Order: sequence, then structure tokens, then C-alpha cells
Amino acid sequence: AQTVTQSQPEMSVQEAETVTLSCTYDTSENNYYLFWYKQPPSRQMILVIRQEAYKQQNATENRFSVNFQKAAKSFSLKISDSQLGDTAMYFCAFMKRSGSGTYKYIFGTGTRLKVLA
Amino acid sequence: GAVVSQHPSWVICKSGTSVKIECRSLDFQATTMFWYRQFPKQSLMLMATSNEGSKATYEQGVEKDKFLINHASLTLSTLTVTSAHPEDSSFYICSATGPTANHYNEQFFGPGTRLTVL
Repeated sequence: AQTVTQSQPEMSVQEAETVTLSCTYDTSENNYYLFWYKQPPSRQMILVIRQEAYKQQNATENRFSVNFQKAAKSFSLKISDSQLGDTAMYFCAFMKRSGSGTYKYIFGTGTRLKVLA
Repeated sequence: GAVVSQHPSWVICKSGTSVKIECRSLDFQATTMFWYRQFPKQSLMLMATSNEGSKATYEQGVEKDKFLINHASLTLSTLTVTSAHPEDSSFYICSATGPTANHYNEQFFGPGTRLTVL
């Protein structure tokens, strides 16, 4: 069974600094997608970044980038130039295809990030 | 694009009553919708998956007679919590996906509904 592990329950970073959130997963599949979602205090889930497993190049979206290590089954998120608005809960998600053909997410337990002024 | 709405955003009800939560895809056809439950400071727990026009598929441990899901159109899914009890109090989130929204099978999330059962 697939599992997603986020080993850092809470983290803090000074404004303008860089922080890395870790995520590891376990799967026997070769083709899959990985996502990072942000959930601010409003609790709206917001997509931060996605990575396709067949792509070797790490995905980047402005200040957000990932370090995708397929062999190690690691998918960490780096936030550069942290801003106060980055304060949120961050969830790593693995997307798998179920037996019925539907694609489902498996979420990690989350990392609560606080950006300090 | 790819906007999902939920209504109501919060609801308070008395124990024993039923509550209906709506999830709508506003600008795409949602062939599949998902319902999650989230307890404070915890992750999202998938409750069920529904495909338009079909019966929902429930995750292990979720009572399908208690959490009724209907996905009768390509833009609307409803979750009805029947005979609600205080332990059903939680934050319920829906998400939706469809071929007209993206080709990654990525889910788009609603803003959530906070249910409090007195």
C-alpha cells in the first residue's frame, strides 16, 4: 500500500529565508504524480506545485521548487524568500490509480509552517 | 478556471437531524468528485469517491448509510449527513476533477464546510 510520510510536524523560518519541507512516499508504481498543497488558516486547499514521476527535471513555480529523488522516493519542497503569507499547513500528496480506474490522493500528515517577521 | 464551491460554509444543527452539503464545479464538468473529512490539525481523510451518474464508492470504515452521496449531474454533488451526532462535527471538504479541467487528474478543492452538531 502506498504511504506518504511528512516527518516534520512543525517548522518555522524567518521572513526572506529559505526553508525545506520533507516528504517521502512508498510505492511500487513507476508512473505517478506528486503534489504539494498549502492550507492557510482559511482552510482552502491551494495547489503549490506538481511533479510528474516520469520527468527527471524538478518542478519549479516562482519561489517554490521541489527536489524529486525518484529512487529514494523523496519529494521535498523548498520555499525561497519566505513571506508571511506562506504561513500555512503544507500537505504532500501522492496520486494513485485505484482499482476502479479513479485517481485518488494519499495525503501526508502535514507540516505546519510559520514564517516569522 | 477550475473553481469549486461548497455550500454552506458552516452549519450548526441539533443531534438527530440531517444536514446536506453541496459541492459545485463552476466552470468545468466534474466527472469525479471526492468528499474528505478533516479533524483539527490533522490531514484530509478521504470518505468517498463519486462518479457522475454512478453510486459512490466509500472508503473502508465510512458508513454509507450515514453519509449519503449523490452525484446526479456533472456540476453538482451532495453529501447528506443523516441523523447527525456530535461526533460527526468536523470540517468537510469536497474536490472535483474532470477532463475539461486538466489532463493531470488533479483535484480542485472547495473551501470546505464546518459542521457542528449540538
